[in-house]
Amino acid sequence: GAGVSQSPSNKVTEKGKDVELRCDPISGHTALYWYRQRLGQGLEFLIYFQGNSAPDKSGLPSDRFSAERTGESVSTLTIQRTQQEDSAVYLCASTPQGGRYTGELFFGEGSRLTVL
Amino acid sequence: GDSVTQMEGPVTLSEEAFLTINCTYTATGYPSLFWYVQYPGEGLQLLLKATKADDKGSNKGFEATYRKETTSFHLEKGSVQVSDSAVYFCALRSNYQLIWGAGTKLIIKP
Repeated sequence: GAGVSQSPSNKVTEKGKDVELRCDPISGHTALYWYRQRLGQGLEFLIYFQGNSAPDKSGLPSDRFSAERTGESVSTLTIQRTQQEDSAVYLCASTPQGGRYTGELFFGEGSRLTVL
Repeated sequence: GDSVTQMEGPVTLSEEAFLTINCTYTATGYPSLFWYVQYPGEGLQLLLKATKADDKGSNKGFEATYRKETTSFHLEKGSVQVSDSAVYFCALRSNYQLIWGAGTKLIIKP
């Protein structure tokens, strides 16, 4: 497809387990963002990748969260030892190189994580 | 730091009613402002934007005017349709980041 693809769309896990969320950006988009959206709240920035530059990890809430991206391709967000407060929708967005300054981001449908 | 405040929802209207969703911001300088929309089962998508004071963004019958004096970017539509039911997010650009409001759920009843 032509859009941003995220998987899984829904994930239910037990407290303490690790989870991995995947984002497949639009081809050619050099910038990629991960956000967290808790119920009834705005989008909370987690991490930003731009090409081969060092990522901006300033939004990661704890060292249990990490993300990787190889070049301009797929990104994975990993949450270790999940806690109930990690329950949220995790959104991925990509944009062309100029897009990170125009503010037009292209979003996936999100991965809904529920930690029991 | 920069922030965005938008009216709480849900906002429930009848079809063909006039819509206003309020958005105000706090920022250094004059950031670009955006409205994004999330339709049920879909990803967020850009609805409209304005890059400088007094600019009016418009799309799909929606409009919003960048008001520097009131630091506002209220979303309006003259006659809403059931298909406008969605969650609307106001945002501002801060460098390469977007700062987001909490979202306003809009429900349009036939």
